Amino acid sequence: GDSVTQMEGPVTLSEEAFLTINCTYTATGYPSLFWYVQYPGEGLQLLLKATKADDKGSNKGFEATYRKETTSFHLEKGSVQVSDSAVYFCALSDRRTTDSWGKLQFGAGTQVVVTP
Amino acid sequence: GAGVSQSPRYKVAKRGQDVALRCDPISGHVSLFWYQQALGQGPEFLTYFQNEAQLDKSGLPSDRFFAERPEGSVSTLKIQRTQQEDSAVYLCASSTSVGGPWETQYFGPGTRLLVL
Repeated sequence: GDSVTQMEGPVTLSEEAFLTINCTYTATGYPSLFWYVQYPGEGLQLLLKATKADDKGSNKGFEATYRKETTSFHLEKGSVQVSDSAVYFCALSDRRTTDSWGKLQFGAGTQVVVTP
Repeated sequence: GAGVSQSPRYKVAKRGQDVALRCDPISGHVSLFWYQQALGQGPEFLTYFQNEAQLDKSGLPSDRFFAERPEGSVSTLKIQRTQQEDSAVYLCASSTSVGGPWETQYFGPGTRLLVL
């Protein structure tokens, strides 16, 4: 079945450091890929998405490129802030069949802690 | 505008009790999803509604779990005879259209269920 694997956390880094969170997936179809973020005390919210190979999603300084050849969707940010401290989830939605209905398959999440 | 709301936010139940969890999706959203999130894990799909029709309930863990959306708006997830392994955060999400894999899902804050 479909699955998402992302790097374990916590990832601790200093303000203005470069952040990378690795995400790889397996899917029998041709999925859409997402990064969701959960800030402390808040619900999940979409950070960015990409729906086809070589697409780059971007938002709030974060970027991720849909790499079909390596089945990856790594999240990057060039200079993190304390306010980026959160749990980040990589997810896919498979369009293999019409009854997939867009249900999301999530990774386990990566906690990111940014210190001043 | 109002986002997805869920109630109660916290629920403590004794083992064997029945519980009902409510989700109010964003007004006009056609698709509604329920997910279960265990501690330290990513959300797992439970069930999907398109308007009032439950089109996918493949993720419901047992026949003790039941979901409905009778008028195509508010949804209720009911768990009968709760067990300790049911302890988790239950997330509701909605999206504008018929649940295509490229669509953004908007998540509620979740209901944290603790079964003693």
